Amino acid sequence: AAGVIQSPRHLIKEKRETATLKCYPISRHDTVYWYQQGPGQDPQFLISFYEKMQSDKGSIPDRFSAQQFSDYHSELNMSSLELGDSALYFCASSFLPGTGLYNEQFFGPGTRLTVL
Amino acid sequence: DQQVKQNSPSLSVQEGRISILNCDYTNSMFDYFLWYKKYPAEGPTFLISISSIKDKNEDGRFTVFLNKSAKHLSLHIVPSQPGDSAVYFCAASAEGGGADGLTFGKGTHLIIQP
Repeated sequence: AAGVIQSPRHLIKEKRETATLKCYPISRHDTVYWYQQGPGQDPQFLISFYEKMQSDKGSIPDRFSAQQFSDYHSELNMSSLELGDSALYFCASSFLPGTGLYNEQFFGPGTRLTVL
Repeated sequence: DQQVKQNSPSLSVQEGRISILNCDYTNSMFDYFLWYKKYPAEGPTFLISISSIKDKNEDGRFTVFLNKSAKHLSLHIVPSQPGDSAVYFCAASAEGGGADGLTFGKGTHLIIQP
């Protein structure tokens, strides 16, 4: 089965520009998560969506926004980019059963964003 | 404040021996724990998980042990193979997990020596 797909894989932007990252979850997964991993750092949780509704929010800057669409794919929109936004951005997906049991998150390959 | 701590940045183990990776946490609300393996330029790959109602979970060569009183978990890999060389992240979730984000440790770089 296909895994989580992220596009683009690499992106170079100038300061103050905007960027849009896309995430296509594993088939039948209804929950999407976004993480940011800076150089030498652990992944930091940004935001998650369940059934197209924002579910949990982490350390996502106000300059960033995200949404999940009817086909469950998600987009992370980043505006007024700063040098410090250069990082790997991972998307993960999971399927949440109605019982609310724990579910493993499956990660995509990431998008490497470089801000010049 | 690092709520999930992996105090060994790197670990070197001989092929065929046991690899033991450790993880400590400070947030007593964490009740679901996962281990991920990561190669350079790839996303984290899920290995194994454990909920706080258990103290052990086993899957093939991988076993995770949870000591709730000590807020400590460990990942055992037996026997270690060259393909196990990667960075291993411990992650945790609180209050039922669900759609909550994971809190990661800083990772341990496991090197399997032939």
